[in-house]
Amino acid sequence: AQSVAQPEDQVNVAEGNPLTVKCTYSVSGNPYLFWYVQYPNRGLQFLLKYITGDNLVKGSYGFEAEFNKSQTSFHLKKPSALVSDSALYFCAVRDSRFSSGSARQLTFGSGTQLTVLP
Amino acid sequence: DAGITQSPRHKVTETGTPVTLRCHQTENHRYMYWYRQDPGHGLRLIHYSYGVKDTDKGEVSDGYSVSRSKTEDFLLTLESATSSQTSVYFCAISDLNSYNEQFFGPGTRLTVL
Repeated sequence: AQSVAQPEDQVNVAEGNPLTVKCTYSVSGNPYLFWYVQYPNRGLQFLLKYITGDNLVKGSYGFEAEFNKSQTSFHLKKPSALVSDSALYFCAVRDSRFSSGSARQLTFGSGTQLTVLP
Repeated sequence: DAGITQSPRHKVTETGTPVTLRCHQTENHRYMYWYRQDPGHGLRLIHYSYGVKDTDKGEVSDGYSVSRSKTEDFLLTLESATSSQTSVYFCAISDLNSYNEQFFGPGTRLTVL
């Protein structure tokens, strides 16, 4: 079974400082990893994904994520936080071995609320 | 929200009544999903569809049924709503040739009294 852990329910950071939102995962095969962001009263928006290749993935709005296979982590980062980055962030994983059926589905973490303080 | 609409956006109903939520897409994507979002649980998959009339259960399917008679529409039905089904429901879609990168609708907030 696959799983995702987001160990921090809440992350606070000052505007202009770097931010990190943590994610660790567990899958039997190689992972496909995703980050989504949710603004209040909105659906989830795709930020970035890791499929294969370069461990540093760049996405929307200046976000990037680093895949670390030995630590089974996929932490979301941004060099300089903005107040407008305040939102709920979700990490998700699926096992790359399966192309159909229930095993193809994404498993989401419980979410991390990011607050950027002015 | 990527050509996905959900209706209604808000609904208040009473325990024991049937409720149907609709998801409509204009992207012609093969896969469609229903999730529920609850504090502390993230998103949990209720049901999904991999084609017209092809559906399967997700993690939390008890008390829910789905139907997909057209590519663009995916219906979620609560046959007899319970208070535990108070939640925010999201529809998502993905393309056959993607890595299951999913695109989400705006959500439906359902309150069961």
